[in-house]
Amino acid sequence: GQSLEQPSEVTAVEGAIVQINCTYQTSGFYGLSWYQQHDGGAPTFLSYNALDGLEETGRFSSFLSRSDSYGYLLLQELQMKDSASYFCAVGSSTGFQKLVFGTGTRLLVSP
Amino acid sequence: DAMVIQNPRYQVTQFGKPVTLSCSQTLNHNVMYWYQQKSSQAPKLLFHYYDKDFNNEADTPDNFQSRRPNTSFCFLDIRSPGLGDAAMYLCATSRGRAQETQYFGPGTRLLVL
Repeated sequence: GQSLEQPSEVTAVEGAIVQINCTYQTSGFYGLSWYQQHDGGAPTFLSYNALDGLEETGRFSSFLSRSDSYGYLLLQELQMKDSASYFCAVGSSTGFQKLVFGTGTRLLVSP
Repeated sequence: DAMVIQNPRYQVTQFGKPVTLSCSQTLNHNVMYWYQQKSSQAPKLLFHYYDKDFNNEADTPDNFQSRRPNTSFCFLDIRSPGLGDAAMYLCATSRGRAQETQYFGPGTRLLVL
């Protein structure tokens, strides 16, 4: 089976840096994705790591360590609009490479 | 703009009354997915189509069915909605079998009275 664990909630202030961790258990690992979802909205893709290391996209970075089955999303220069839920997701080869989402982390950014 | 469209955005139905949710895409993607998402939970995959090939998740209740008449459209049919089926239903697409980016529609929020 597959399972992903994330902290349920993280709080931070504007301008700060926050890291959202994700640990996973899966077979046939194909990569770790991150999605952002605002309340009442649809998930939107943020980043994808297939190999170990850091991927940077503007204020957001994502890290993967396959040996540790661990990854994180790093958000810098936090803004109020970053308040949302963040899901990590893995794809695995069980006949079809589909996404299994983590439990989600709710990020609350305060002034 | 190319996108994933879901209609309606809000759907109210009665207990046991069949309901159909629709999804269309202009991305010309091969794969279309239906997810169920309840409050403060992760999206849960119900089933997906790769072209015309239907793939049902093992734990998806028989009450949920899907149709994909062509590349652009996909429907979710709930034959006899129960109170526990009230949720956000998300449609998503991706190009192919690799773990590629999934593009989500805005969702349909279903209320069962």
